[in-house]
Amino acid sequence: QQQVKQSPQSLIVQKGGISIINCAYENTAFDYFPWYQQFPGKGPALLIAIRPDVSEKKEGRFTISFNKSAKQFSLHIMDSQPGDSATYFCAASMKGGSQGNLIFGKGTKLSVKP
Amino acid sequence: DAGITQSPRHKVTETGTPVTLRCHQTENHRYMYWYRQDPGHGLRLIHYSYGVKDTDKGEVSDGYSVSRSKTEDFLLTLESATSSQTSVYFCAIMGLANEQFFGPGTRLTVL
Repeated sequence: QQQVKQSPQSLIVQKGGISIINCAYENTAFDYFPWYQQFPGKGPALLIAIRPDVSEKKEGRFTISFNKSAKQFSLHIMDSQPGDSATYFCAASMKGGSQGNLIFGKGTKLSVKP
Repeated sequence: DAGITQSPRHKVTETGTPVTLRCHQTENHRYMYWYRQDPGHGLRLIHYSYGVKDTDKGEVSDGYSVSRSKTEDFLLTLESATSSQTSVYFCAIMGLANEQFFGPGTRLTVL
């Protein structure tokens, strides 16, 4: 019940296309859903996050869509660029209890072809 | 980078030796975390701290211990390193809005 399942494992997209990465969770107590971007040899960097009181959040070319009833959330990267090539992780946490500890998906390696 | 540094950045050691990794933050955050990252497993929480001398176990704590004697430093110790502990270790802090920011990582190889 603590798992966050992420798909696909890898994704190849043409420059200018839309990249879509999906995550699903079971624990309805989760109330914070961030996405992280990680380049080789670097630490994960917080990209965008959403809480379940909204269904969508957009920051530039990055959008999180959240479906509370389906217990799913997804990251959309519009107009994908070669510089977006990285590994993306979704995560989830809840307030209280374990002090906001994040449960991570296993990651999606995105390659954007020029 | 939220003022987080990790040391060393790379280490090669032998099975059975003790190893200590250090995480240092400059912004006085209360919560600090240690994760390990392995191919196919994503990031998994080892231990976390919610204040000086206050720590608790995460998902994969066996074989690891931590200490936090000062707000700014969170140490991860492998008492007797094993090859299964070869990994990349990341420290993180929790910001004011409950978001987590990660350090640059330490690549540890246990031969």
